Amino acid sequence: DAKTTQPPSMDCAEGRAANLPCNHSTISGNEYVYWYRQIHSQGPQYIIHGLKNNETNEMASLIITEDRKSSTLILPHATLRDTAVYYCIEKPEAGTASKLTFGTGTRLQVTL
Amino acid sequence: ETGVTQTPRHLVMGMTNKKSLKCEQHLGHNAMYWYKQSAKKPLELMFVYNFKEQTENNSVPSRFSPECPNSSHLFLHLHTLQPEDSALYLCASSQVRRDEKLFFGSGTQLSVL
Repeated sequence: DAKTTQPPSMDCAEGRAANLPCNHSTISGNEYVYWYRQIHSQGPQYIIHGLKNNETNEMASLIITEDRKSSTLILPHATLRDTAVYYCIEKPEAGTASKLTFGTGTRLQVTL
Repeated sequence: ETGVTQTPRHLVMGMTNKKSLKCEQHLGHNAMYWYKQSAKKPLELMFVYNFKEQTENNSVPSRFSPECPNSSHLFLHLHTLQPEDSALYLCASSQVRRDEKLFFGSGTQLSVL
C-alpha cells in the first residue's frame, strides 16, 4: 500500500496556481518525496523531487515542511494541459532499482 | 517523447493466443520495469530488471513471462491470459542512483477476449 495520503480530487481555474497537498507522516530520513503525473491513458511523467529543501524546476515547485511530514506541489499557472492524476511517492535512497508504489493520487481538473 | 518506446500501442487477443509486448529505451539506463494499470486502480509493479537481472517479481502469475536480453530491451510474453488481465501495461526505465527518476513509455492497452 502507498504510504502517502492525498485528496482524491481538486479543481483549479486556468491561470491560477494549483496547490496539491500530500501527507507522508511516516517518511524516514533517507526517503525522498517524488511527484509524478499521469495524463489520461499515458505513462506517468516525472515532475519533481526533494529531500529536505524546497525545490523548483521548469514544471513546478515543491514545498516540504520542516518536519518532512507533508509537502505541497505547486503548479504556478495551471493550464488545461495540466489536467491529470498527480502522485506523491516516498522513495528511499537508491542502491538498487526503484520499487515505487503508486497510490490513487489526486485527480486535478483545470477548468476555463 | 520520453525515450521509452512500447509496441504495440493496442493489442486484442484471445485467451488461447500467445503474444509479446516490447519495450525499448534509448536513454542508456540500467534498470527496466513492467507495471500494470487496470481500470480505476493504481499502478501495480510487476517486474524489475537491474543490469539485466530480475530483481523483483511481485507475485505475478506465470502466464506473464518477462525477458530482458540486454539493458535496452524488455519483453513481456503473454500466454493463456484471462479477461481480467485486460489493462494498460507500462514499461519504464531508470538509471540506478541515489535520486533516480523513472521514465515511462506510453503503454500497451491490452484487451483479452
